[in-house]
Amino acid sequence: GENVEQHPSTLSVQEGDSAVIKCTYSDSASNYFPWYKQELGKRPQLIIDIRSNVGEKKDQRIAVTLNKTAKHFSLHITETQPEDSAVYFCAASPMNRDDKIIFGKGTRLHILP
Amino acid sequence: NAGVTQTPKFRILKIGQSMTLQCTQDMNHNYMYWYRQDPGMGLKLIYYSVGAGITDKGEVPNGYNVSRSTTEDFPLRLELAAPSQTSVYFCASSPDNRSPLHFGNGTRLTVT
Repeated sequence: GENVEQHPSTLSVQEGDSAVIKCTYSDSASNYFPWYKQELGKRPQLIIDIRSNVGEKKDQRIAVTLNKTAKHFSLHITETQPEDSAVYFCAASPMNRDDKIIFGKGTRLHILP
Repeated sequence: NAGVTQTPKFRILKIGQSMTLQCTQDMNHNYMYWYRQDPGMGLKLIYYSVGAGITDKGEVPNGYNVSRSTTEDFPLRLELAAPSQTSVYFCASSPDNRSPLHFGNGTRLTVT
């Protein structure tokens, strides 16, 4: 089955700098890759997603890149702000419609003043 | 639309008691999931369902049961509660496995 590895587990970044979180997946047939943000005490919420027919997607300060050959995808946050402090989860969805989405273990991002 | 609604928000159980965590969604989503999240940790899948009448185990199903008699509802049953089941439980739904998950606000369960 699918396996998703996420790195780093913790990341501290100076406010205004960029943050990058990386994920690798094992099933080459996976074709949907969402990213979720979970603020302290809140539910996870989707921030951006990418499908396997696209290499990069941007939404304001957030971007996701996908390398299908290497089976990895990354979340990029530019000009980080205090409200970016949260836990971020990547996930990969298999081709089989009866199979489940697989989450990475999460990255705790700290934005330092 | 209310989205995904979980009840209760908080619950304290004694060891050995049973309870049902309720989850309902009004988006006509086929897929529904139950996750648990221990403090400072990631999401662990307990059970999931790809449609009414179909359920499947996730990575941590022991001590739990589910049913999916309707598209809207996906209750999670805890039998003989144990301290190891102290956690925050999230229910989520999606139209299929290639669409974003919509999470409920969670149920914080303490077993003492």
